Amino acid sequence: DIQMTQSPSTLSASVGDRVTITCRASRYISTWLAWYQQKPGKAPKLLIYKASSLETGVPSRFSGSGSGTEFTLIISSLQPDDFATYYCQQYNSNPLTFGGGTKVEIK
Amino acid sequence: EVQLVQSGAEVKEPGESLKISCEGSGYDFTSYWIGWVRHMPGKGLEWMGTIYPGDSDTRYSPSFEGQVIISADKSTNTAYLQWRSLKASDTALYYCARRADSFEFFHYWGQGTLVTVSS
Repeated sequence: DIQMTQSPSTLSASVGDRVTITCRASRYISTWLAWYQQKPGKAPKLLIYKASSLETGVPSRFSGSGSGTEFTLIISSLQPDDFATYYCQQYNSNPLTFGGGTKVEIK
Repeated sequence: EVQLVQSGAEVKEPGESLKISCEGSGYDFTSYWIGWVRHMPGKGLEWMGTIYPGDSDTRYSPSFEGQVIISADKSTNTAYLQWRSLKASDTALYYCARRADSFEFFHYWGQGTLVTVSS
């Protein structure tokens, strides 16, 4: 199985901050990586696929980059609606695997 | 509008059986893979398996193969996740999600079904 490791596990930030979340794959996955946002009591929401493609309707302050084994999700200017948990997911091979999540908290 | 509507919360005792559902609407149900994802309390997301309702081709995560059964009824646009004998460790929130057309990430998600297994 491909292990996905996210860092940090928790991040405290203020509105307007630039936030960077990292996801590392245990093996090469090209750009077969998605990012999701999940709020408490809600289903995950797709933000980015193929490492850097923004899902329709997702604000442009979200961006993704990386390939191979190292990936990042950047929120350029954190908004109140962005406080949530973020997960990466590899879809290079089965079993599909998710990172452990990064909780973005209010500082 | 694509929608996935899941069945309601369940409280069961260990050893009981359970089948939860996920009804799709707003798209051709037979043409998109549906996956199931487990979210245990305080933990991350885990992919359990995926089914193609058009022909019931099913792929399981090795962690869940033999532990659950994934099925679909294309006549009712409904996918199912089933347990024959529940354990306390099955307590979790379960999501169904519609896969993207040709890739294995998930565009649309159900609202989740909370399964509590307790004696």
